[in-house]
Amino acid sequence: NAGVTQTPKFQVLKTGQSMTLQCAQDMNHNSMYWYRQDPGMGLRLIYYSASEGTTDKGEVPNGYNVSRLNKREFSLRLESAAPSQTSVYFCASGPGTANPNQPQHFGDGTRLSIL
Amino acid sequence: KQEVTQIPAALSVPEGENLVLNCSFTDSAIYNLQWFRQDPGKGLTSLLLIQSSQREQTSGRLNASLDKSSGRSTLYIAASQPGDSATYLCAVRARMGGGNKLTFGTGTQLKVEL
Repeated sequence: NAGVTQTPKFQVLKTGQSMTLQCAQDMNHNSMYWYRQDPGMGLRLIYYSASEGTTDKGEVPNGYNVSRLNKREFSLRLESAAPSQTSVYFCASGPGTANPNQPQHFGDGTRLSIL
Repeated sequence: KQEVTQIPAALSVPEGENLVLNCSFTDSAIYNLQWFRQDPGKGLTSLLLIQSSQREQTSGRLNASLDKSSGRSTLYIAASQPGDSATYLCAVRARMGGGNKLTFGTGTQLKVEL
């Protein structure tokens, strides 16, 4: 009953360091998403992958890169971390445009602090 | 640009009370509206999804309504319990590029007291 699995759950970085957040889903979903959640701002879309082999920018893509490794896995990379990227990051998956009325499923989040 | 607003930002009620959470959105060109629950330190759990052609959905003590023309949705919780304490988020889904996108409100933090 895994659903969407994110690793790591917590991470502390220093400014300028790089890291990759991992996400995997076992629901055979076509689409995957990365969001960040900040106090008072709700969830905002960073990048998404509508289907395997494609990625597109969301609302707040600056400072991030993504890779859709295969249908199951979608990673988010911070090349040079900045304090403004301190946030909670959520990965989600869903059937995509073929079934827009099916819900997205979310992982438990990665809590990232950048000092 | 789609904007989603939730009022109130926080709500405290005694156990057993019926309550209504509100969500409004600015662009009615949506596929659906979804209500989520988020517990502290956890991810989002989908509660109800209302398609744009539907007026309401029910699950147990929860009832969600949608008035697409006026850009409003409500989540009604009957006979509230302390276990209902959480943050409730609404999100609307619309087409974006090659996929579709959820736009979230900032949530209502609910506390149900004994």
